[in-house]
Amino acid sequence: SAVISQKPSRDICQRGTSLTIQCQVDSQVTMMFWYRQQPGQSLTLIATANQGSEATYESGFVIDKFPISRPNLTFSTLTVSNMSPEDSSIYLCSGFPRQGTSEQFFGPGTRLTVL
Amino acid sequence: DQQVKQNSPSLSVQEGRISILNCDYTNSMFDYFLWYKKYPAEGPTFLISISSIKDKNEDGRFTVFLNKSAKHLSLHIVPSQPGDSAVYFCAGRRGAGSYQLTFGKGTKLSVIP
Repeated sequence: SAVISQKPSRDICQRGTSLTIQCQVDSQVTMMFWYRQQPGQSLTLIATANQGSEATYESGFVIDKFPISRPNLTFSTLTVSNMSPEDSSIYLCSGFPRQGTSEQFFGPGTRLTVL
Repeated sequence: DQQVKQNSPSLSVQEGRISILNCDYTNSMFDYFLWYKKYPAEGPTFLISISSIKDKNEDGRFTVFLNKSAKHLSLHIVPSQPGDSAVYFCAGRRGAGSYQLTFGKGTKLSVIP
């Protein structure tokens, strides 16, 4: 099955700054998603990264705060903008390798701490 | 509104015994349910799934049961092994044609040698 890598694996950032997380898949995927897991909480879908067009955001998430790019079928970035301590979470990239499967697979996650 | 609930944050089981992890859901539109396993510092990995039209799916030591009328599913691991110690997430798919998953908060399973 396909493998997802994420950079950075972890970071500690200052309030008010921004961080861009990169997600690379080793093969083409039809769909890519970004999730957030806050401490003690479930994985929450932030948005669907659409190739060549604007991402589709879930309720409660907006493009100004979480701009997403997906320039091709194997790469996506998520930026966490103007960070506050409430943004401290694990951010995970996921993908579907092909149509018709429900077996979404995940990257290792990026652990973000905002001071 | 938490659409997928895993009410047990943790579970401890002796090696060789059965582990039963439970999950309840409220969204009747879910058409597929999945279990993921997560080790520390790694992303979740797919374990087993079940269609909403089935009531059981088995894969080796892992069996998932679905009770649609009760909106309840469970994951059985038999026999449990120390390597099964991880956090297990239950997830529902939001209907045919959708790829978005809604996750529970997870249950941390500890298998004691």
